[in-house]
Amino acid sequence: AQTVTQSQPEMSVQEAETVTLSCTYDTSESDYYLFWYKQPPSRQMILVIRQEAYKQQNATENRFSVNFQKAAKSFSLKISDSQLGDAAMYFCAYRNAYSNTGKLIFGQGTTLQVKP
Amino acid sequence: NAGVTQTPKFQVLKTGQSMTLQCAQDMNHNSMYWYRQDPGMGLRLIYYSASEGTTDKGEVPNGYNVSRLNKREFSLRLESAAPSQTSVYFCASSPWGTAPTEAFFGQGTRLTVV
Repeated sequence: AQTVTQSQPEMSVQEAETVTLSCTYDTSESDYYLFWYKQPPSRQMILVIRQEAYKQQNATENRFSVNFQKAAKSFSLKISDSQLGDAAMYFCAYRNAYSNTGKLIFGQGTTLQVKP
Repeated sequence: NAGVTQTPKFQVLKTGQSMTLQCAQDMNHNSMYWYRQDPGMGLRLIYYSASEGTTDKGEVPNGYNVSRLNKREFSLRLESAAPSQTSVYFCASSPWGTAPTEAFFGQGTRLTVV
């Protein structure tokens, strides 16, 4: 069975600084998708970034980028130039690429605090 | 531009009471899901429906039932609520297929069982 682990329950960063959130996963599949979701206090789940395992290039979306290390089964999220609006809980999620359903396996979440 | 709509947003139940959480999506997605979110545990899959007419158990199905009423609607029923079911519940939907599309989530229902 696949598992996703986020070992940092809480992180904090100074506004305008850079922070990295960690995520590791375990799977025997060779192809899969990885996602980072943001959950602000409103509870809405917002997709931040996605990575396809067969792609070696790390995904980037504006200030958000990932460090995808397939052999190490690691998928960290880097937030550059942190803003107050980045304060939220962040979830790492895994999806089997061979499945037609979009079932996700989530990590435990990391709460990010941004200090002004 | 509604996306995934869940009702209610908040609910308090007494132990043993029953209730149904409603979910509807307007994105023409085939697959729908119910997750629960608990502190320190992330989101866990309760049930899912890969397509209209099918439902399957997820990781934590005990104490719940689901109905895929049509392509748009997927409800979650608690027949006899227990304090252990106090949680935030999310409905989600996604297209069918192996493309790396994300799941779209509703706003969540905060359920407290006393």
